[in-house]
Amino acid sequence: KNEVEQSPQNLTAQEGEFITINCSYSVGISALHWLQQHPGGGIVSLFMLSSGKKKHGRLIATINIQEKHSSLHITASHPRDSAVYICAVGGTGNQFYFGTGTSLTVIP
Amino acid sequence: DAGITQSPRHKVTETGTPVTLRCHQTENHRYMYWYRQDPGHGLRLIHYSYGVKDTDKGEVSDGYSVSRSKTEDFLLTLESATSSQTSVYFCAISGGAGESNEQFFGPGTRLTVL
Repeated sequence: KNEVEQSPQNLTAQEGEFITINCSYSVGISALHWLQQHPGGGIVSLFMLSSGKKKHGRLIATINIQEKHSSLHITASHPRDSAVYICAVGGTGNQFYFGTGTSLTVIP
Repeated sequence: DAGITQSPRHKVTETGTPVTLRCHQTENHRYMYWYRQDPGHGLRLIHYSYGVKDTDKGEVSDGYSVSRSKTEDFLLTLESATSSQTSVYFCAISGGAGESNEQFFGPGTRLTVL
């Protein structure tokens, strides 16, 4: 049983397209995190949110606590956005549960 | 970026040998974590620490032990490495200012057990 489910697992888009990655979770959370991992690279935190919406540049993250669902949107996608995007939820006791990631490829 | 380093960054070893991975932080964060990352799986928690000498098991702790003798360092030891422990290992920290829930990750250690 996975506490965190992401969809899609793989995504290919043309440069400039609007992209949405979804995350559903089944545990009670203190916060939800979106992480980015470039091929062969480290893991970087993009967002931490517990309600509503946050925006950084072309990236937007939303969360619906009642539905236990979050989305990550990328507007005007660019090849440098190609990466694995990971949804993680922070539960009690500072423990975290991770989705398996969405591999995004943006084609020029 | 949070100051987290891992050493070594790459290691190749043989089955049955002991291996120790080190995670070092300069951020004075309370919590430290060891994860492994394998294809088809999300990051899986091996062990975590909630303070000096305070550690607990994660979901995939068998075959691993940890120690935290000071705030800055969290060591992961494979007492007798097996091929199933070939993986990429990430250290993470959290519990910064205001006991923030945000996690920061180290660069990873790629371990190959032959």
